[in-house]
Parts: sequence; structure tokens; C-alpha cells
Amino acid sequence: GQQVMQIPQYQHVQEGEDFTTYCNSSTTLSNIQWYKQRPGGHPVFLIQLVKSGEVKKQKRLTFQFGEAKKNSSLHITATQTTDVGTYFCAGIFGNEKLTFGTGTRLTIIP
Amino acid sequence: DTEVTQTPKHLVMGMTNKKSLKCEQHMGHRAMYWYKQKAKKPPELMFVYSYEKLSINESVPSRFSPECPNSSLLNLHLHALQPEDSALYLCASSPDDRGLEQYFGPGTRLTVT
Repeated sequence: GQQVMQIPQYQHVQEGEDFTTYCNSSTTLSNIQWYKQRPGGHPVFLIQLVKSGEVKKQKRLTFQFGEAKKNSSLHITATQTTDVGTYFCAGIFGNEKLTFGTGTRLTIIP
Repeated sequence: DTEVTQTPKHLVMGMTNKKSLKCEQHMGHRAMYWYKQKAKKPPELMFVYSYEKLSINESVPSRFSPECPNSSLLNLHLHALQPEDSALYLCASSPDDRGLEQYFGPGTRLTVT
């Protein structure tokens, strides 16, 4: 089946530093979504990207969808302790189901 | 109301028990999903209901039986589970069946003894 890979698997950053997670697919995606799951919590929808090269911002978070619609990134500027959690990208191939990426677990060192 | 509710929050059951997980949403969403999530892993899709009809079954063992009584409710009936079925079971809903913008419930943490 289709797979979506994320790197890095883990990231430890000092509070105030930036953080980026990357999402890659071997085939073209119809769209890409990003979710955040806090420790002990459930996935929470953050954003959806549909267009090639699309960039969206939410406060300190910047999301990009690659030109070929095979990759995406999430960048957080000046991390805060509230950013702790696992960030999942999730893509749709054609009209198929949503496929979650492997996730990046972010921990913040105060 | 953008909330998906799930009951119970925790469930411990023996391998011979029969239990049910419940999920409810009042956002008017027409698609509902069951996912299974193991520790430190992404959610894995189990079932999709679209307009109250089962549209996707990801080759889930028959000891898991989904049911959609109406557009707001989704159940997952459990019978003769195995210890390896212990996981967090998440329900989600989305406006339509294209899989876009899914809203997850808090999950039921299931332990099979």
C-alpha cells in the first residue's frame, strides 16, 4: 500500500529554538493534512493543503506542500512548551483513504 | 459543537467477554471512522462509514464488528479479543467521505487480559 514517511522520528529542542518536520511520499498526493497529538491525547486537526506549492501559516506554524505534491513540511518558530507532542502528516492518494505518516515526536527542553 | 465523544474512556476485558465502544458526533458530519493506535505508532484505519453505510473495511478480523445506527452514532462491538488487540481505539468524523479534515474523539483505551 501507499506509505508516507516522516523525518525525524524524534526531535529534542531547547525552548525558543525552531523545529521542522518533513513528510515524504513516493507518489503524488491529492492533499496533505497535519495533526498534532499531545502525550496521552488524541490527534487534533491542524491544517489541510491542497494546491501544489501551497504555503499556509498559523501563528508560529508554517506549512508547505511541495511543487510535485509528494512532500510537505511543518516549521515551528520559537518553540514553546505547549508545542510538545507528536506531529503527524496524513495524505490522501487519489480518492483513497487518509494515510498517516510515521510521526515526529517533539520534546522541549525548558 | 466540534466535539466527538467516546465512551468508555478505559475498558478492561477478558478474551471471552463481549463489549461495545460508542462514538457520537453532532456536527452533521456524514463520514465516521474507527482507528486503532498502538503506543508510539500512527493511527491505523479500521473502518469507514459514509452516509451510514460501511464503505471501507481494512481487512479487520471479524472479532471487531462496526455498526452505524444513525448519522451521529458509531459503535464498535468487540468479541473474543486477543491480548494483542490492546490499544487506543479512536473514532473520528469528517464532513464527507473524502477523508478531509477529520475530528477525533478522545479514544477508548482498551486492555485485553
